[in-house]
Amino acid sequence: DAGVIQSPRHEVTEMGQEVTLRCKPISGHDYLFWYRQTMMRGLELLIYFNNNVPIDDSGMPEDRFSAKMPNASFSTLKIQPSEPRDSAVYFCASSLEVGEKLFFGSGTQLSVL
Amino acid sequence: DAKTTQPNSMESNEEEPVHLPCNHSTISGTDYIHWYRQLPSQGPEYVIHGLTSNVNNRMASLAIAEDRKSSTLILHRATLRDAAVYYCILRWNTGFQKLVFGTGTRLLVSP
Repeated sequence: DAGVIQSPRHEVTEMGQEVTLRCKPISGHDYLFWYRQTMMRGLELLIYFNNNVPIDDSGMPEDRFSAKMPNASFSTLKIQPSEPRDSAVYFCASSLEVGEKLFFGSGTQLSVL
Repeated sequence: DAKTTQPNSMESNEEEPVHLPCNHSTISGTDYIHWYRQLPSQGPEYVIHGLTSNVNNRMASLAIAEDRKSSTLILHRATLRDAAVYYCILRWNTGFQKLVFGTGTRLLVSP
């Protein structure tokens, strides 16, 4: 298996633009997670899905952030409009079942100028 | 969430054993001890986890104190590739619980 696949690897955009990050989880995994990592706050869980349904989005910083999982093999994290403080590395992860270990993607390095 | 305490950084020489400590004095009976590590420019990766007994796998060993208030991740022979941030995390194994990352220990490995 190729593991969790994220795209793009790097994204540079200007303030106010819409940004869409993409994730393909490992096939057969029922849980998908979006994390954000910054120097100041470390790794933070933004939202997670179970069987394509959002379960907990309490970590989403504000309404500018939205996440969807239209099917079992694809998820998006969208920021609209983007701001410089959104600059971070965004990780997607998936796991097979409750309590199982998480497999992380390589992340998307987002820079908002 | 039960908290863990880890040193900010540790240093080791290549091919020497490394013992990474973690304190978790408020651990509950249902908490498993998980370790993840994050290599530079990569996402975190699972290392090992355990409940009460010591655990071994191809990557590392996990030694858990008898009172479970502390644990130690053991890398038997450090390599340069083991230089990473190591996270000690407490997690239930039934029902869903968020995997909450602390600040971890940055391991530096010298040739």
